[in-house]
Amino acid sequence: QVQLLESGGGVVQPGRSLRLSCAASGFTFTSYAMHWVRQAPGKGLEWVAVISDGETYKNYAASVKGRFTISRDSSKNTLSLQMNSLRPDDTAVYYCAAAHDSRWHTFDYWGQGTLVTVSS
Amino acid sequence: QSALTQPASVSGSPGQSITISCTGTSSDVGGYNFVSWYQQHPGKAPKLMIYDVTNRPSGVSDRFSGSKSGNTASLTISGLQAEDEADYFCSSYTSSSALYVFGPGTQVTVL
Repeated sequence: QVQLLESGGGVVQPGRSLRLSCAASGFTFTSYAMHWVRQAPGKGLEWVAVISDGETYKNYAASVKGRFTISRDSSKNTLSLQMNSLRPDDTAVYYCAAAHDSRWHTFDYWGQGTLVTVSS
Repeated sequence: QSALTQPASVSGSPGQSITISCTGTSSDVGGYNFVSWYQQHPGKAPKLMIYDVTNRPSGVSDRFSGSKSGNTASLTISGLQAEDEADYFCSSYTSSSALYVFGPGTQVTVL
């Protein structure tokens, strides 16, 4: 049974950092690119970042580039998102999603999300 | 504000068919056959229902089908069932720096 379980969300002050994790199981982690997607309260989904199955390629949305870093540990089947210099508009539910390496544009599996609130 | 446009809600009676639209531009929906549809029940993780406009993943009912015309993609649910009541959103690859864009979601209600 495929499972993606996000953790690490919480309330953080503007300018501070937070690290999200996503534990994957039930599928061949090394055959999938991994994404982070977020949804701010009352708004639609926004793609945040992607990392290739071999970690050689990473890309970010303009809104987070230079502040967020995506990484993965294939020995532990985990995905991470290091978020620095957080801003109030980063407040959102953050989802991790897996995309088979033959079609990165399709989010085959999703987690249930973890809430990040940036507020003083 | 989402990059793709969907109706806020669609409803139908059991057994009927409904169609949800997803409108973008020639830079996303119209330019690539990389449209996907997802189903999300409250408090649950989204589930892939259709990929590459028309393809169904293994295990998804054949009551779900996808199509595209120009800059608008569509998801049709045939033989509507109570379990189909959920939020449905679309996504597409885009040639913009955003890479992937989403619709805001459509709430499907089974009357």
